[in-house]
Amino acid sequence: EIVLTQSPGTLSLSPGDRATLSCRASQTITSDYLAWYQHKPGQAPRLLIYGASSRATGIPDRFSGSGSGTDFTLTISRLEPADFAVYYCQQYGWSPGSFGQGTKLEIK
Amino acid sequence: EVQLLESGGGLVQPGGSLRLSCAASGFTFNNYAMSWVRQAPGKGLEWVSALSGSGRNTYYADSIRGRFTVSRDNSKNTLYLQLSSLRAEDTAIYYCARDPNWNSGERGYFDFWGQGALVTVSS
Repeated sequence: EIVLTQSPGTLSLSPGDRATLSCRASQTITSDYLAWYQHKPGQAPRLLIYGASSRATGIPDRFSGSGSGTDFTLTISRLEPADFAVYYCQQYGWSPGSFGQGTKLEIK
Repeated sequence: EVQLLESGGGLVQPGGSLRLSCAASGFTFNNYAMSWVRQAPGKGLEWVSALSGSGRNTYYADSIRGRFTVSRDNSKNTLYLQLSSLRAEDTAIYYCARDPNWNSGERGYFDFWGQGALVTVSS
C-alpha cells in the first residue's frame, strides 16, 4: 500500500497569508492521480483538487495543486477564515487508494 | 443538488452487527460508483469499500474483508454497508462518497460526501 506523508502536521497562519501544504508518497503516483480534500468537524469532506492540479467544481482559484511523481503541494494563496480546517491528500493511482494523515490549518 | 445522507449508526457490542444506509439524491445514481470511507476517533480517513454503478463489482479494504458487505439498490437510490463481527477498532464515523466514475475499483476519488454516521463498538 502506498503511504502518503503530509507535512506539516499543523500549520498556524493568519487570514490573508499564503498556505503551502505538502504530501509525499512512498512510491511514484501513477498518472498524477492525487486528490486534496478539505474537512471541517461535523461536516462532509469537500473535494478541492483531483489529478494533482485540476480544481473541482466550485472551488475558488485561491486553491491550487501542483507536483508530480512523489511530491505534491496544495497552495492556498490568500487565506480566508473559512479555510481553516484539516486537509487530506489521497492517491488513487495504486490499489488500494490511500489517504495521508492530514494537515491541520489553524488560525494563528 | 447532490445529496448523500447516511443513517443506521449507533452503539453495538463487540461481535455484533449493524447496517448503514446512504440515501442519494440529485444525480443519476446508477451512473456512479460509490464508496464507504471511515474516520476513527482522532485518526485520518480510511477507504473501506467500493461498489460499481451496476452493483456487480465490489471491493474491500483488507482490514474489513470478510466482515463487511457493500450493496446498493439502484431502484431506491440507496447504498448499504452491512457490518458484522464488529471490533472495537471499527469504531468510527462512516461516510458514503460518490466516485465520479462508473467503476474505479479500489482506486476511486470522491467528488461528493455525506456527513457521516457514527458507529461505536463497545461493551
